[in-house]
Amino acid sequence: AQTVTQSQPEMSVQEAETVTLSCTYDTSESDYYLFWYKQPPSRQMILVIRQEAYKQQNATENRFSVNFQKAAKSFSLKISDSQLGDAAMYFCAYVGGGADGLTFGKGTHLIIQP
Amino acid sequence: DTGVSQNPRHKITKRGQNVTFRCDPISEHNRLYWYRQTLGQGPEFLTYFQNEAQLEKSRLLSDRFSAERPKGSFSTLEIQRTEQGDSAMYLCASSLRWGGTGSTDTQYFGPGTRLTVL
Repeated sequence: AQTVTQSQPEMSVQEAETVTLSCTYDTSESDYYLFWYKQPPSRQMILVIRQEAYKQQNATENRFSVNFQKAAKSFSLKISDSQLGDAAMYFCAYVGGGADGLTFGKGTHLIIQP
Repeated sequence: DTGVSQNPRHKITKRGQNVTFRCDPISEHNRLYWYRQTLGQGPEFLTYFQNEAQLEKSRLLSDRFSAERPKGSFSTLEIQRTEQGDSAMYLCASSLRWGGTGSTDTQYFGPGTRLTVL
């Protein structure tokens, strides 16, 4: 079974600075997708960024980028120029090539300090 | 496109009662997923449909839970004889999968239904 581990229950960063959230996963599949989702307090899950395992190039979306290390099974999220609106729970998620249900990590609570 | 919608947003019920939740996916999406999220945890997969066919059910989905997607559009999740342990947020997501290259299978989530069992 696939597992996703987020080892940082909580992270804190000063506004405008950069923060990196860690995620590792375990799988025996070669074809899969990885995601970072953001869940603000009492609000719905929002997709932040997606990475296809077959792509060597790391995905980027504006201030958000990933460091995908396939051999190490690591998928970290870097947030540059942190903003107050980035404060939320961030979940790392995995799905196999068959696109069945997502497997989520336990989440990292990101605090942005003004 | 108004995104994934779920109703009701909140449900309070007494133990032993039956409850039903509805999910309306993004209109062109052929896959629909149900998840359960308890406080402080990541969502856990329950089941999913491709069109009207239920393709997978998690072992978390006990016999008291049943899901349907009769016409391949909206879906319902029913919990019979609710227990206090069923209290959670129930999330629905949808995606578009056509099996060819470039199918991203990105799941988009609704706002969830928060169930409280007294």
